[in-house]
Amino acid sequence: EAQVTQNPRYLITVTGKKLTVTCSQNMNHEYMSWYRQDPGLGLRQIYYSMNVEVTDKGDVPEGYKVSRKEKRNFPLILESPSPNQTSLYFCASSLSWDYLGEQYFGPGTRLTVT
Amino acid sequence: GESVGLHLPTLSVQEGDNSIINCAYSNSASDYFIWYKQESGKGPQFIIDIRSNMDKRQGQRVTVLLNKTVKHLSLQIAATQPGDSAVYFCAENGGGGTSYGKLTFGQGTILTVHP
Repeated sequence: EAQVTQNPRYLITVTGKKLTVTCSQNMNHEYMSWYRQDPGLGLRQIYYSMNVEVTDKGDVPEGYKVSRKEKRNFPLILESPSPNQTSLYFCASSLSWDYLGEQYFGPGTRLTVT
Repeated sequence: GESVGLHLPTLSVQEGDNSIINCAYSNSASDYFIWYKQESGKGPQFIIDIRSNMDKRQGQRVTVLLNKTVKHLSLQIAATQPGDSAVYFCAENGGGGTSYGKLTFGQGTILTVHP
């Protein structure tokens, strides 16, 4: 089944404790992206990757890191999480940036930072 | 930065009616627009897209209209069904240069369809 998977689905952590949210797709997609969703603010793009080893900042990259060492994986790293990073996070992928809109979204990761 | 917005945060319709969801954008350089549907507890789902060289595009029961003069985008859903109840987001891509992969979303409109 074609899908985007994220792990963990739920995470409660404390301020400053490094964490990684994994994202994996099995569709051989070139483009991958991370978003956060907050009430009243909609979805905001954190980082995106056009292909392996190519990553770029979205609208809200501060406090996050990403890497794209292999095509299928695009982990989101929070080196020192803070309470304002409490949010619902979505990973997404598409065939390429030419098909930017036709993104497949993962099920989401709900992160709480206390 | 520039962003995409919505006129109506909520829309209630009766089953069988046609629905129109509106979106205003401010970046005149945007050349690609997308509509997504998000059901409760799920990730967004692609509905339809349109490029700036078009003013109308039709899908199955959905039509997207683009008016570049007034920077306005709309999603029309024909014969709305209870299963169409969801939050609908418009999104825009700023086009060339360094923005090829960047996507900016509007805040969303809640569509409620009453049986």
